[in-house]
Amino acid sequence: QKEVEQDPGPLSVPEGAIVSLNCTYSNSAFQYFMWYRQYSRKGPELLMYTYSSGNKEDGRFTAQVDKSSKYISLFIRDSQPSDSATYLCAGTGGFKTIFGAGTRLFVKA
Amino acid sequence: GAVVSQHPSWVICKSGTSVKIECRSLDFQATTMFWYRQFPKQSLMLMATSNEGSKATYEQGVEKDKFLINHASLTLSTLTVTSAHPEDSSFYICSALAGTYNEQFFGPGTRLTVL
Repeated sequence: QKEVEQDPGPLSVPEGAIVSLNCTYSNSAFQYFMWYRQYSRKGPELLMYTYSSGNKEDGRFTAQVDKSSKYISLFIRDSQPSDSATYLCAGTGGFKTIFGAGTRLFVKA
Repeated sequence: GAVVSQHPSWVICKSGTSVKIECRSLDFQATTMFWYRQFPKQSLMLMATSNEGSKATYEQGVEKDKFLINHASLTLSTLTVTSAHPEDSSFYICSALAGTYNEQFFGPGTRLTVL
């Protein structure tokens, strides 16, 4: 079992839709969780990081962590074609960060 | 956020030659940097952890004699692919730890093509 599981997609949505991206993890030692966005042939860009269970909002993005079920989510409101990218979730328990496989998102104009 | 640069952004080399990739933290000091490789449509694969002033820690299955890592200063880590072969062609990405929660900030990546 991988420490971080993420559906690779692809996920295709129309412009303006609410996007829900999800990951599960198995390592109880994970304390912090991150979401990265990676455009094609570019390095990943940190979008959001969270520590505790609950929601964290930043503009159109909301990160949600449920430590009891080991479930993390990223919601994108009013999705735009420019949001088309691969989204990677990650968990870290100190030093080592474990990444999910990434979900490819396509937002159609 | 913290800025990490990589150089070169892409490189083409002949089989058997060596290629050096630089990773720099531009506005912060990084005692720890990471090197990843990524094949098309696949996720990041951690190759090694680079610590300033000490030997790198390699992940299982990564040949340390083939992928030489040097972290001689707090702002620079280098990855040298020695005697490169076509199967080494990949996207190499570095990252550095920074921020309140020691988040990883990634460089833009280096695309290596070995002919």
